[in-house]
Amino acid sequence: DGGITQSPKYLFRKEGQNVTLSCEQNLNHDAMYWYRQDPGQGLRLIYYSQIVNDFQKGDIAEGYSVSREKKESFPLTVTSAQKNPTAFYLCASSVRGGGSNQPQHFGDGTRLSIL
Amino acid sequence: DQQVKQNSPSLSVQEGRISILNCDYTNSMFDYFLWYKKYPAEGPTFLISISSIKDKNEDGRFTVFLNKSAKHLSLHIVPSQPGDSAVYFCAATVNQAGTALIFGKGTTLSVSS
Repeated sequence: DGGITQSPKYLFRKEGQNVTLSCEQNLNHDAMYWYRQDPGQGLRLIYYSQIVNDFQKGDIAEGYSVSREKKESFPLTVTSAQKNPTAFYLCASSVRGGGSNQPQHFGDGTRLSIL
Repeated sequence: DQQVKQNSPSLSVQEGRISILNCDYTNSMFDYFLWYKKYPAEGPTFLISISSIKDKNEDGRFTVFLNKSAKHLSLHIVPSQPGDSAVYFCAATVNQAGTALIFGKGTTLSVSS
């Protein structure tokens, strides 16, 4: 069954630590995305990648880093430079550009909290 | 500056009635619009979409209307069911440019039986 897997579902981080969120997809999609959702807010784009070994900053990339070494995987690292990392993180994938009749598909998210 | 706006944070409707969720956008370059439904602690699921060359798209109980001149779209759910209770996000993109989606803040729909 094809889909997007995000792990872990819940993650706790100590102050000053980097932490990496996993996102894997078996939909054979070229494009992958990371969003952040805060209470009462929409989804804000952190980073996206339209193809392997290439990625672009979204609206709120500061304090985050990504890599795209494999088509199936797009891990997100929340660095200690991110001052307010507590949020619900969502990964998505699509055919390149998420074009008509090919919308983005989302994982079930990772909730990150600061200890 | 928000490019996609959902000005109603919440909407309450009785079962069997029509639910109308609204969305406004400011970027005239947007040419593809989508609605997603989200339950708590889950990822959004795609509901319905519309291209800017159309003014209506229907899929079962769900219909999306697009008014390009007003830069406004709406999602109609008829008849509403308790299982429709969720947060609904409007999203837009410039399809040909292959850019990512821009989301509104969402509207929480509550359908009471």
